[in-house]
Amino acid sequence: KAGVTQTPRYLIKTRGQQVTLSCSPISGHRSVSWYQQTPGQGLQFLFEYFSETQRNKGNFPGRFSGRQFSNSRSEMNVSTLELGDSALYLCASSQTGWANYGYTFGSGTRLTVV
Amino acid sequence: DQQVKQNSPSLSVQEGRISILNCDYTNSMFDYFLWYKKYPAEGPTFLISISSIKDKNEDGRFTVFLNKSAKHLSLHIVPSQPGDSAVYFCAASPGTASKLTFGTGTRLQVTL
Repeated sequence: KAGVTQTPRYLIKTRGQQVTLSCSPISGHRSVSWYQQTPGQGLQFLFEYFSETQRNKGNFPGRFSGRQFSNSRSEMNVSTLELGDSALYLCASSQTGWANYGYTFGSGTRLTVV
Repeated sequence: DQQVKQNSPSLSVQEGRISILNCDYTNSMFDYFLWYKKYPAEGPTFLISISSIKDKNEDGRFTVFLNKSAKHLSLHIVPSQPGDSAVYFCAASPGTASKLTFGTGTRLQVTL
């Protein structure tokens, strides 16, 4: 069974640009969550989508947005990139989105803002 | 405000010995806890979890202990193997909420 696929693996963008990251969940999983990992802050929750609806949101500015399509694939968008947005962005898929059902993480997209 | 804390950034253990990784939390709404292992350039891999209705859960070489009154959990790895060398994250969730709060991780090195 295929795992969680994130594309692209690496990305370099210039400050002020915008970027879109993609996540394909495990087949049958309807929940996709996004996390940002930085050396100083660790793994921080961005948002979660379930059946095309944002169900939960972390404490990130409005420049960070996402969406989910009918096939459960999800995209995350960051507008007006700042140097501090350089991070590893991870998505996790789950059948229900509840912790007791477990989450499977992708390998992440490494975003570098210069 | 760090709701989940892993106070030891690193730990070195000899092969065959026990590794004990600790995690403290402050939010009493958390009732489900998970441990993940992470290698460089890969996403976190689920190891083991525990519900707040239990105080211990075992899976092979991995055992997680939960002390609710102290808001403390620990992961025991016995025996430790070189392949266990990775960063370990504990995470917590208020049960049916779709959000994990992670600790900052502990880098475990298992030496020969």
